[in-house]
This record gives sequence, C-alpha cells and structure tokens, in this order.
Amino acid sequence: DAKTTQPNSMESNEEEPVHLPCNHSTISGTDYIHWYRQLPSQGPEYVIHGLTSNVNNRMASLAIAEDRKSSTLILHRATLRDAAVYYCILSYNQGGKLIFGQGTELSVKP
Amino acid sequence: SAVISQKPSRDICQRGTSLTIQCQVDSQVTMMFWYRQQPGQSLTLIATANQGSEATYESGFVIDKFPISRPNLTFSTLTVSNMSPEDSSIYLCSVGPSGDYEQYFGPGTRLTVT
Repeated sequence: DAKTTQPNSMESNEEEPVHLPCNHSTISGTDYIHWYRQLPSQGPEYVIHGLTSNVNNRMASLAIAEDRKSSTLILHRATLRDAAVYYCILSYNQGGKLIFGQGTELSVKP
Repeated sequence: SAVISQKPSRDICQRGTSLTIQCQVDSQVTMMFWYRQQPGQSLTLIATANQGSEATYESGFVIDKFPISRPNLTFSTLTVSNMSPEDSSIYLCSVGPSGDYEQYFGPGTRLTVT
C-alpha cells in the first residue's frame, strides 16, 4: 500500500486559512488522494478527494502537486469546529479499503 | 449520503466473553468495512464484510477472533470473541456506495474489557 507522511500536529488561529500538507512520494498513477477528518469522539468523515487536478467543495480545497508526490488540504477559514485529526489516504482499486496513517491533529485557537 | 447506526454504543465486558456489534445502514450499499481504533491511535482495518460470502480479513486479524456476518446489503455484525483487555478499543463500521470514493462511518462502539 502506498504510504503518506503528515506532520503529527498543527496549530491555527480561528478565521485564518490552514494548509495541511501530505507527502506521498510512492504514489502510483492511479491512486486517488483522499482526506478524512475525525472530530473528537466521532467516526471519521469524508472531506475531499482528487486524482490529478485541484478540487474544491464546500468544506475544503485540495491542491495536488504536478508530480502528485504531495498534496495540501486547504481550509479557507478555520473555525473551532475544525479542530480534528486529518487523515491523508491513498487508494485505488483496493475494493474501497482505506488504510489510515497517523494523521495530523489540528488545533484551532480562538 | 448514508446514515449508519451501531449497537451497542458502548459496553464493558469481562475477559473471556464475546460481544457482537451491529451495524445498520439506511440504504443498500455495496461495500462495508470494520475498523478498530485503539486508545490514542489511528484506525486499523479489520476486514471487508462481503454480502453472501466470507469476510476478507487484513493481516493480523482472523475469523476465529473476529467473525463477521453480512446477511444483506444494509446490515453487518462483528463479534469480538474470547475478549482480553487488549481488545479494549472503539470498533467502527463504514460503508461505501462505490469502492474508491466517499465512505461513511458509523459513530463507533466503545468496548472496555476488564
């Protein structure tokens, strides 16, 4: 399984943008890049996913490097409710399996 | 989207006993998965629950310890057998309507083994 590397923790101020990096240097051409987050005492929730092009949705944006060896999840205006563990995951044709790494614990200061 | 419920939400069990966890989805789904999250850790995939056939287990997990049933497209159970304190974890099910895209997770079952 292709692996991802994320910082263990990051801090942000409320209402400021947050850029969460993920390195995936062994990504294959058909691996999708997924981001999930887990709020305290909840199951993970889907945030966004992409293959090659940058992606936007109501929750976040995903910026994918041209060589696809790294990606960045962008929260445009962090709120206190965005404090969570964010997981960057690669998957392709694994029957939908998600292999979670350690993720980045994001704290948001008021 | 899919709404997932799990029962029980939490339980405290004695070592050597077994607990069956239920996962119910509000719509038919193709893929169902079971994960374990040990205290302070990330999620680890236990198995893929296949409808009408045996579950597919990940390395380190065996059917005798974690038997899984999937009788239809909206329901699955995971049994944690012959429990020990090391089995104390949160157990989560997830569903995916189509393989490599968005998955939805249940709220989890918090298991404590004494």
